[in-house]
Amino acid sequence: GAVVSQHPSWVICKSGTSVKIECRSLDFQATTMFWYRQFPKQSLMLMATSNEGSKATYEQGVEKDKFLINHASLTLSTLTVTSAHPEDSSFYICSAPGTGTAGANVLTFGAGSRLTVL
Amino acid sequence: AQSVTQPDIHITVSEGASLELRCNYSYGATPYLFWYVQSPGQGLQLLLKYFSGDTLVQGIKGFEAEFKRSQSSFNLRKPSVHWSDAAEYFCAVGAPSNTGKLIFGQGTTLQVKP
Repeated sequence: GAVVSQHPSWVICKSGTSVKIECRSLDFQATTMFWYRQFPKQSLMLMATSNEGSKATYEQGVEKDKFLINHASLTLSTLTVTSAHPEDSSFYICSAPGTGTAGANVLTFGAGSRLTVL
Repeated sequence: AQSVTQPDIHITVSEGASLELRCNYSYGATPYLFWYVQSPGQGLQLLLKYFSGDTLVQGIKGFEAEFKRSQSSFNLRKPSVHWSDAAEYFCAVGAPSNTGKLIFGQGTTLQVKP
């Protein structure tokens, strides 16, 4: 089945630094990927949709300059948290939509990346 | 506004007991419905989905869910819970237009007592 790999799984950084999280579709091509953010004990909130070859689409209230998303190829999307601050600490999860009969709504999720900003 | 509500934040059941996790949604039309499970520090795994047809859907790990249009509900059930079922469970809805963008409920934490 489809596999989405996320790296790193856990990152700790100092306040003011930038952190890049990679999301790869291992055995399929994904022209679209979704980035979610999950606070402790809370639900997943869609942050943005990355599109291969074009700009990402951000959800309302998400800072584009803070969360830079790049969809460099059909198998790689990256999320860069710029000038990270403690309030950016969270669990970030990427996902890719299914294809064919499964439909775009059947998402395959990465294992997530836990960011801790000191 | 579109939303998903999981009324129970935390549920504790004994191993071997039956389980029902509630999910209610608010949507303009009948959406696609999903249940996902998340183990600590892990990504989400799809348990089951409803697109159309039979309103009782079977999923993995012995789970099933029933879509009730009149109640805007999609409750998850399991006849006999195993200790390994302890996890966070999320109900989600997606647009029939197949955009792939899901709206998630707040999640229900399931604790299983030995």
